[in-house]
Amino acid sequence: LAKTTQPISMDSYEGQEVNITCSHNNIATNDYITWYQQFPSQGPRFIIQGYKTKVTNEVASLFIPADRKSSTLSLPRVSLSDTAVYYCLVGGVNNNDMRFGAGTRLTVKP
Amino acid sequence: EAQVTQNPRYLITVTGKKLTVTCSQNMNHEYMSWYRQDPGLGLRQIYYSMNVEVTDKGDVPEGYKVSRKEKRNFPLILESPSPNQTSLYFCASSLGSPLIYEQYFGPGTRLTVT
Repeated sequence: LAKTTQPISMDSYEGQEVNITCSHNNIATNDYITWYQQFPSQGPRFIIQGYKTKVTNEVASLFIPADRKSSTLSLPRVSLSDTAVYYCLVGGVNNNDMRFGAGTRLTVKP
Repeated sequence: EAQVTQNPRYLITVTGKKLTVTCSQNMNHEYMSWYRQDPGLGLRQIYYSMNVEVTDKGDVPEGYKVSRKEKRNFPLILESPSPNQTSLYFCASSLGSPLIYEQYFGPGTRLTVT
């Protein structure tokens, strides 16, 4: 499981775009980058996953540069309900153990 | 509806009284896992299972047991609970390796051991 580094916390305002960057310098060739969202007292929820370049779904976009040593989760036009902890995980098919780390606590203000 | 269910959702017990928290998934997933979440310590993996009769320790397995006799069920057993096992527990499942396939989490079980 690749070690990841992400900011402990971020603040934003409603309607803004939020970008959370995750560093993973020792990412392996076959590793994927996965982001989860967790609200208080709830289990994490899968947001998005990517391998390279850009992935977009109805919730977020994931930008991955060519060297894959970092990735950026982009949340467009956040609302108060996007206040949550966001986890970046990096690993591949041989990683069955999961380490969520501290994540990034995003607070969206009105 | 595809889901992971856990029971009970809330449990208050006393030290030393054996308990089991059940976990069931209806998605025919091969991978299942248990986590505990504590303030300041985040989400930590207790045990996981890649398939029936295959289980492995996570980061914090001490004081817990699991079994995987059927694909859909993955109970968490506390043979002799202690107060330091007071926590919020989550069960999760995925089609395969959790870093390749999306993990689905249950609603959580809040356990208090007095």
